[in-house]
Parts: sequence; structure tokens; C-alpha cells
Amino acid sequence: QQPVQSPQAVILREGEDAVINCSSSKALYSVHWYRQKHGEAPVFLMILLKGGEQKGHDKISASFNEKKQQSSLYLTASQLSYSGTYFCGTERGSGTYKYIFGTGTRLKVLA
Amino acid sequence: NAGVTQTPKFRVLKTGQSMTLLCAQDMNHEYMYWYRQDPGMGLRLIHYSVGEGTTAKGEVPDGYNVSRLKKQNFLLGLESAAPSQTSVYFCASKSRGLNTGELFFGEGSRLTVL
Repeated sequence: QQPVQSPQAVILREGEDAVINCSSSKALYSVHWYRQKHGEAPVFLMILLKGGEQKGHDKISASFNEKKQQSSLYLTASQLSYSGTYFCGTERGSGTYKYIFGTGTRLKVLA
Repeated sequence: NAGVTQTPKFRVLKTGQSMTLLCAQDMNHEYMYWYRQDPGMGLRLIHYSVGEGTTAKGEVPDGYNVSRLKKQNFLLGLESAAPSQTSVYFCASKSRGLNTGELFFGEGSRLTVL
């Protein structure tokens, strides 16, 4: 099964914060995050390889809780450019290179 | 540097027709993937390949076949198209190595089956 993301959709005003969660019923060996603008291909944001790892650049960061099989993406002081659909991705089985994606979260930032 | 190129970008088929989508990458990547994207379903893995001459089933492989005769190309075939296969198809590739997790995507191919 695909990892499940929550919320399914969120609307923000510029400057507000958001958290997107990714939860898997199976073990997560690594977690990737992507953003997809409407009509475009997904674009890589970051990868977390170890449980407990946290990463970030600019005002977007993420955490990975391996034991809980969850990852969260944090968007701080959102900008209009953050609008899009966010996907978490994971390798289904360590070393298989079988990459699957979560159900997606649609984010809309309003001026 | 083109990256990942998909052809065609758009196609309309009638039920029962066959077609092939071509994915070509110029980054010498080992791993290649085909996904379909439907509203509310995210990206679902159809088939993938970990090297030239190898293919493996993804999460939704039924109704599709693939081939990877050359390292740079990954073909997705529909033998007898069905309306349920109307979707946007994305190809992606990835280099070998655990720490290089980035998948590079093509622009997508929009397929409509009538």
C-alpha cells in the first residue's frame, strides 16, 4: 500500500506555517519529499536516510521517525511559491530500489 | 543536457488499441521507473528496472508491459488499452547509490482512452 499523507489538502495565507505528515504501514527505509506544481513533473526537495534525521533548507524542513514509520514536512512562513502538491516517497524494501510515493497533499498559499 | 525525455506528450486511443510510451535518459542512470498519476491517488508505480535487460513489477502492473533493451531507454507498452488506463504517465530515473535519492522525472505523457 501507498504511504498515507495528511492532510489531503490545506490552504494557507502567506507567512503561515504548515505540517504535512507521511505515515506508512510498513517499514520506512528512507524518506524523500517532492513538490509538484500543476501540470509539471515532481521536483526533489530532500531525502532522509536515518531514523531521527532532520533536514532543512530555506524554510522547508523534514523529520523522520523510523520507529513510528512516519515522516513530517514543515513549511515555515509560507510563500506563494510553496503552492503545489507534496509527495513523500520511500523505498519499498531495503535495497530493492522499488520507490513508491504517498497519496499526496495539495497545498495552496494565498496572498 | 535533456535529462529525462518522454514521447509522446499526448495521445488519444480507442479501447483495444495498443501503444508504446518511450522514456529516454541521458544521465547514465541505472534505475528507471514508470508511474501513473490519477487525481487523488498520487503517483503509483507500474514497473521499474534496476539495469539494462531487467524489469520488475511495481504496485499496479496489470495491463502494462515494459522493456529495457538499452540502458538509456525504458519502454512502457499497453497491449489493449482500456478507459481505466486514462492517466498521466511519468517516467523517472535515478543513479546508483543510497545517498543519491533523487529521482529525475520526465515531463509526463497524458493518455486518454475512449
